[in-house]
Amino acid sequence: DQQVKQNSPSLSVQEGRISILNCDYTNSMFDYFLWYKKYPAEGPTFLISISSIKDKNEDGRFTVFLNKSAKHLSLHIVPSQPGDSAVYFCAASTSSNTGKLIFGQGTTLQVKP
Amino acid sequence: SAVISQKPSRDICQRGTSLTIQCQVDSQVTMMFWYRQQPGQSLTLIATANQGSEATYESGFVIDKFPISRPNLTFSTLTVSNMSPEDSSIYLCSVEERQSSYEQYFGPGTRLTVT
Repeated sequence: DQQVKQNSPSLSVQEGRISILNCDYTNSMFDYFLWYKKYPAEGPTFLISISSIKDKNEDGRFTVFLNKSAKHLSLHIVPSQPGDSAVYFCAASTSSNTGKLIFGQGTTLQVKP
Repeated sequence: SAVISQKPSRDICQRGTSLTIQCQVDSQVTMMFWYRQQPGQSLTLIATANQGSEATYESGFVIDKFPISRPNLTFSTLTVSNMSPEDSSIYLCSVEERQSSYEQYFGPGTRLTVT
């Protein structure tokens, strides 16, 4: 049972445009969500997170939106840069077990110059 | 954030053998974790490495197959025992710098191939 799903395996955007990566979840007990970026041969790097009490969190070029009723979150990258090309994972957790992150399958983003 | 290193970075092993992966953090951390990423799959939590006590394993993972040590607040090891080709994966350690902070920081991973 995949509790966190990223239905788009890949996404290609032009440099300077917006990248939108999507993530859906099924477990209503999740109350914290995170996005990670992963380059080949490296471990995932924490990008941005959001608590379920918020619907938006912004950090520079990265904004995460949370729609609890739809059990959906998205990561917006504006403007996209070639260095953003990587695999992006969303992850979810519950306050009762903060150490257990449930990851989606990942979306490979390619930003073309 | 904490700087995390893993050894080895990669290895090719024969089936039936065991490999111990080391994870070193440059500062004391409360929580350390071990994940597995099988080819084309997502990251899956294997266990939480508890300092001074037995690790806490997730469903589907057992101590006999994945023994874990955590002798102090900066170091942990994961052993993959009696390996089979299905154990070919990337193994990653992660840390939670502040207890119950949710954010985890990952090491570079160990790429294991079992032939």
